[in-house]
Amino acid sequence: KQEVTQIPAALSVPEGENLVLNCSFTDSAIYNLQWFRQDPGKGLTSLLLIQSSQREQTSGRLNASLDKSSGRSTLYIAASQPGDSATYLCAVRLGSSASKIIFGSGTRLSIRP
Amino acid sequence: DGGITQSPKYLFRKEGQNVTLSCEQNLNHDAMYWYRQDPGQGLRLIYYSQIVNDFQKGDIAEGYSVSREKKESFPLTVTSAQKNPTAFYLCASSSKFSGANVLTFGAGSRLTVL
Repeated sequence: KQEVTQIPAALSVPEGENLVLNCSFTDSAIYNLQWFRQDPGKGLTSLLLIQSSQREQTSGRLNASLDKSSGRSTLYIAASQPGDSATYLCAVRLGSSASKIIFGSGTRLSIRP
Repeated sequence: DGGITQSPKYLFRKEGQNVTLSCEQNLNHDAMYWYRQDPGQGLRLIYYSQIVNDFQKGDIAEGYSVSREKKESFPLTVTSAQKNPTAFYLCASSSKFSGANVLTFGAGSRLTVL
């Protein structure tokens, strides 16, 4: 059974630092992996999606990497800003169709001004 | 603008009542999903649908029901059989034919049992 883990559950860093969020999954047979941002009381906003054949994706200050063999993905945030404060969730899709998508429980990120 | 609209944003239910959460999308997506989110936990899948008039149970379907009579709409009914319905409910959709299968979410509906 696929399990998705995000450690730590919470992280606080000063503004301007570069940081890495981690996502681990137990079964390497994934179709893709998606990173989301969730602000308190809001829905999820897609940040980056990495297909199983890809190693990384970049968007602005964000870079997501995928290592299927080790069951890991990382989300790198460069030059963090207070506006980056949110909960970040990763999710793995198990197949190409509208199949199950398994979510991690998220990392709550706080950027201190 | 294309997107997913969930309503109501906040809903209060008395014990023993059924309530229906609305989810409408204008993205022309084939697949739609309902998730439940509890504090400090990840999202858990309730139901999903790949095409009109067809849907499958997720991991926590007991006490919930859905319908998919139109491609744009996927309402979720929380029945009185759901023993602990207080939660944040999220609707999502994705394109069957998109190579990326990006999952898009609505803003959520918060249900509180009085």
